[in-house]
Amino acid sequence: EAGVAQSPRYKIIEKRQSVAFWCNPISGHATLYWYQQILGQGPKLLIQFQNNGVVDDSQLPKDRFSAERLKGVDSTLKIQPAKLEDSAVYLCASSFRGSSDTQYFGPGTRLTVL
Amino acid sequence: DAKTTQPNSMESNEEEPVHLPCNHSTISGTDYIHWYRQLPSQGPEYVIHGLTSNVNNRMASLAIAEDRKSSTLILHRATLRDAAVYYCISSRDSSYKLIFGSGTRLLVRP
Repeated sequence: EAGVAQSPRYKIIEKRQSVAFWCNPISGHATLYWYQQILGQGPKLLIQFQNNGVVDDSQLPKDRFSAERLKGVDSTLKIQPAKLEDSAVYLCASSFRGSSDTQYFGPGTRLTVL
Repeated sequence: DAKTTQPNSMESNEEEPVHLPCNHSTISGTDYIHWYRQLPSQGPEYVIHGLTSNVNNRMASLAIAEDRKSSTLILHRATLRDAAVYYCISSRDSSYKLIFGSGTRLLVRP
């Protein structure tokens, strides 16, 4: 069974530029999550989708971050404009049904903002 | 969600058992205890979870104290591949959000 796919694996941008990350969850998984992991810390949930609807985006900085999952399968997370403090690993995860199921994580995208 | 407390780091010798402790003194009766681990340069992976009874799977065992205020993840024979950051998470089943702390960094000596 293929795991959660993410691209790109690495991205370096200047502050105030925009960037987008892509995630393809495990086939058949209804729930998709985006996490932000700053160096030395545990991951922090940014947004959770159930199919193509948002379940929880309470920790998403909505003035600069946006995410979509239009067809209920793959998803994109965008940052515009980026700040230095956005440097982190962005992890995508998916689960079969809802929040009570095991979450499977992708390898992450490491973002460096200069 | 209950807050968990873990040691920052632990060391173990290869092929010896490892006991990773976690305190969750504010846990409620419906909060599950989950363990995930994160190997270097990878996303977290599920290890085990439980509610009240001790649990075993092919990766590890989870021993939950009778008062549920603490638990211990047991790796029966540590290998070099088990070197990772281990996260103990406590969450309610109805709103199962993974709220990660800083975890315990496990070093395995050959």
